[in-house]
Amino acid sequence: GENVEQHPSTLSVQEGDSAVIKCTYSDSASNYFPWYKQELGKGPQLIIDIRSNVGEKKDQRIAVTLNKTAKHFSLHITETQPEDSAVYFCAASNFGNEKLTFGTGTRLTIIP
Amino acid sequence: DAGITQSPRHKVTETGTPVTLRCHQTENHRYMYWYRQDPGHGLRLIHYSYGVKDTDKGEVSDGYSVSRSKTEDFLLTLESATSSQTSVYFCAISEGTGFLGPQHFGDGTRLSIL
Repeated sequence: GENVEQHPSTLSVQEGDSAVIKCTYSDSASNYFPWYKQELGKGPQLIIDIRSNVGEKKDQRIAVTLNKTAKHFSLHITETQPEDSAVYFCAASNFGNEKLTFGTGTRLTIIP
Repeated sequence: DAGITQSPRHKVTETGTPVTLRCHQTENHRYMYWYRQDPGHGLRLIHYSYGVKDTDKGEVSDGYSVSRSKTEDFLLTLESATSSQTSVYFCAISEGTGFLGPQHFGDGTRLSIL
């Protein structure tokens, strides 16, 4: 089955700087890659997703890049703000398999 | 927010007792999922449903059963709870349009088994 590895497990950045979280996947058939943000006491919330037919997607300060050859994808957050502090999860799935495999999460802390 | 309600939000129970968690959706989505979240493991799929009375196992299904008698409700049952099942349980829903509609999560049930 699919295996998703996520790094780093913790990340601290100064407010205003950029943060990058990386994930690798094992199944070359995977073609859908969402990112979730989880705040304390809440469920994961979808923040951005990308399908394998595109290499990059942006939404304001958030972007995701995908390298299918290397089987890795990354979340980029620019101009970080205190409210970006949370746990972030990557995930992967493939067409016809309506299940997600999650990474183990990254705790992002924004230092004021 | 997606219309997902999990109940109860918190529960403490003893080893060997049966426990049922409920997930209720108002979105009329076809797919519903149960995950458990543990430190160092992320979210792991327990069971999922692709329609009324249609369910399948996930990667950590041992010790759990599910039922879906109505589109809006998906129940997770621990027949005889063990301490290893202490966890936070999340329900998710998806349209599952055939190219994996995004999954949306509820706010979880924190279950402690003593």
